[in-house]
Amino acid sequence: AQKVTQAQTEISVVEKEDVTLDCVYETRDTTYYLFWYKQPPSGELVFLIRRNSFDEQNEISGRYSWNFQKSTSSFNFTITASQVVDSAVYFCALSESINNDMRFGAGTRLTVKP
Amino acid sequence: EAGVVQSPRYKIIEKKQPVAFWCNPISGHNTLYWYRQNLGQGPELLIRYENEEAVDDSQLPKDRFSAERLKGVDSTLKIQPAELGDSAVYLCASSLGVGTEYEKLFFGSGTQLSVL
Repeated sequence: AQKVTQAQTEISVVEKEDVTLDCVYETRDTTYYLFWYKQPPSGELVFLIRRNSFDEQNEISGRYSWNFQKSTSSFNFTITASQVVDSAVYFCALSESINNDMRFGAGTRLTVKP
Repeated sequence: EAGVVQSPRYKIIEKKQPVAFWCNPISGHNTLYWYRQNLGQGPELLIRYENEEAVDDSQLPKDRFSAERLKGVDSTLKIQPAELGDSAVYLCASSLGVGTEYEKLFFGSGTQLSVL
């Protein structure tokens, strides 16, 4: 079965600092999908990005960027010039093509202080 | 466009009592999920529906949990009887499809259950 590990339980930074959230995954499937979700204090998970296993191109969206490396089974997420509104719990998730069961990591709680 | 709607937002019950959660997915979303999120952990899938069919319920504790999605739209998740360990946030999500570019899950705000 697939597994997602987010080793960083909590991260605290000061506004405008860059921060990287780590995600390492395990899967035996050759076709899979990786996701990042944001869960603000309101509780509703918000989709950030979806990547399939055949697309290793890094992606940038505003202050957000993602680094997908199959060689190390990692899908890290970087926030540049962090803001207080970025404070939330961030989840990395993996969905295999075989079972379509989206498996979430334990999450990383990011606190951005003013 | 309305998002995924869940009710109630909070529920406090005594152990051994029954409880039900309701979810209204985004219009047109055929796939509906129920997840359970324990404190400090990521969501764990309980059941997934494709229209009205439960296609993955392998992680649903069937002795006390049940779910239904009549007419392939709204869904209800029930626990009977509830146990202390069932205290968690129950999340509903929906998507256009599975394993495609449409596999983007939209989540509701969840129902926070406290079993005393």
